[in-house]
Amino acid sequence: DGGITQSPKYLFRKEGQNVTLSCEQNLNHDAMYWYRQDPGQGLRLIYYSQIVNDFQKGDIAEGYSVSREKKESFPLTVTSAQKNPTAFYLCATRLTDANTGELFFGEGSRLTVL
Amino acid sequence: AQRVTQPEKLLSVFKGAPVELKCNYSYSGSPELFWYVQYSRQRLQLLLRHISRESIKGFTADLNKGETSFHLKKPFAQEEDSAMYYCAGKGGSEKLVFGKGTKLTVNP
Repeated sequence: DGGITQSPKYLFRKEGQNVTLSCEQNLNHDAMYWYRQDPGQGLRLIYYSQIVNDFQKGDIAEGYSVSREKKESFPLTVTSAQKNPTAFYLCATRLTDANTGELFFGEGSRLTVL
Repeated sequence: AQRVTQPEKLLSVFKGAPVELKCNYSYSGSPELFWYVQYSRQRLQLLLRHISRESIKGFTADLNKGETSFHLKKPFAQEEDSAMYYCAGKGGSEKLVFGKGTKLTVNP
């Protein structure tokens, strides 16, 4: 269902720990994105990748890292350097050949730092 | 800088009333503009895009270049329209920039 799977759905982390959020897609889309969604802030772009082995920083990349070793996968690591990591994280994909801006979203992962 | 502004955090209307969700953009050139919707417990999904000039679920949005606006309108709101609505814009790069969202509540 949906073609984009984010895991885990809920994650708790202690301060000072790194945590990795998974995003897998079977839509064969080239571009993948990570957004952070906070109440009253909308969606803010963390990182995006247009092609395997390449990615670019978004507007709020500090304290995060990503990799794109496979087309299907775009994991996001929230490091201990991220000052306010508690948030809802959304992964999205886009079919670049379609030449539209439409993004397809996963169901999200909610990270809570204790 | 590319920016999308939604001035209303919350919007409440009664069923059957017209609704307009405001969106203004700041882009150089000719951006692509979109409205995304997130219903309760569902994924964020595309509602409509300006290049299609389509009407989805009774909603329309017209690009006004003079006012740099892309307001979303529906003449008769329904309770099932209650959701979070995000306006988004894309310039020449891969980045899709979202507004902060407007929560629409349609009261019976």
